[in-house]
Amino acid sequence: QSVLTQPPSVSGAPGQRVTISCTGSSSNIGAGADVFWYRQFPGKAPKLLMFDDNNRPSGVPDRFSVSKSGTSASLAITGLQAEDEADYYCQTYDRTVSGTVFGGGTRLTVL
Amino acid sequence: QVQLQESGPGLVKPSQTLSLTCTVSGDSISNGTYHWSWIRQPAGKGLEWIGRIYTSGGVTSYNPSLKSRLSISLDTSKNQFSLKLTSATAADTAVYFCARFSRVDVPAVYWYFDLWGRGTLVTVSS
Repeated sequence: QSVLTQPPSVSGAPGQRVTISCTGSSSNIGAGADVFWYRQFPGKAPKLLMFDDNNRPSGVPDRFSVSKSGTSASLAITGLQAEDEADYYCQTYDRTVSGTVFGGGTRLTVL
Repeated sequence: QVQLQESGPGLVKPSQTLSLTCTVSGDSISNGTYHWSWIRQPAGKGLEWIGRIYTSGGVTSYNPSLKSRLSISLDTSKNQFSLKLTSATAADTAVYFCARFSRVDVPAVYWYFDLWGRGTLVTVSS
């Protein structure tokens, strides 16, 4: 059971908007820890998709955005495209673990 | 460019020690201030942080759930870092990734996993 809770799956049609939630606690997101989002394609290593504060690494389109409130964070994807189909993970620092924690991952299906 | 490559036995017997090595190429493992990390992923499941070792001083940090069985070390002469997990069980069967935990100062100060190996499958079975 992951410290951060994500929905196992979300789906949407091309062009639509989807959001993926990441729920933590007062020992991680609620404590102000930065939240990062990674995308993983089948058989590949995860790759950073979004920094905290809605900052994007170079090359990531502005269709991707993040937000944070209280003990939760969210990733939003607008203008859904077929190539967005992948697994998405949130990651942050947890004071109880004294280390990194990941969400359980969300499989995005583009219908 | 800097690359990471995991290596080690793909099959480990229960109760034995699971040992993996990550070789860093393209730069010295001692350059910069990084945390060299291990992360694993059981088939069809999410990512689990295992632990890390800091370039400076070799300070380690372990996932509490694995701490009693875990050891991560650094070999700067070989540009490698290693993982040893004792008393392996079927629950340790997973794809193991090595990764670099780095700091960036732009657009803000962040620590995140910026480089990953391709991952290696380790099966614990008799």
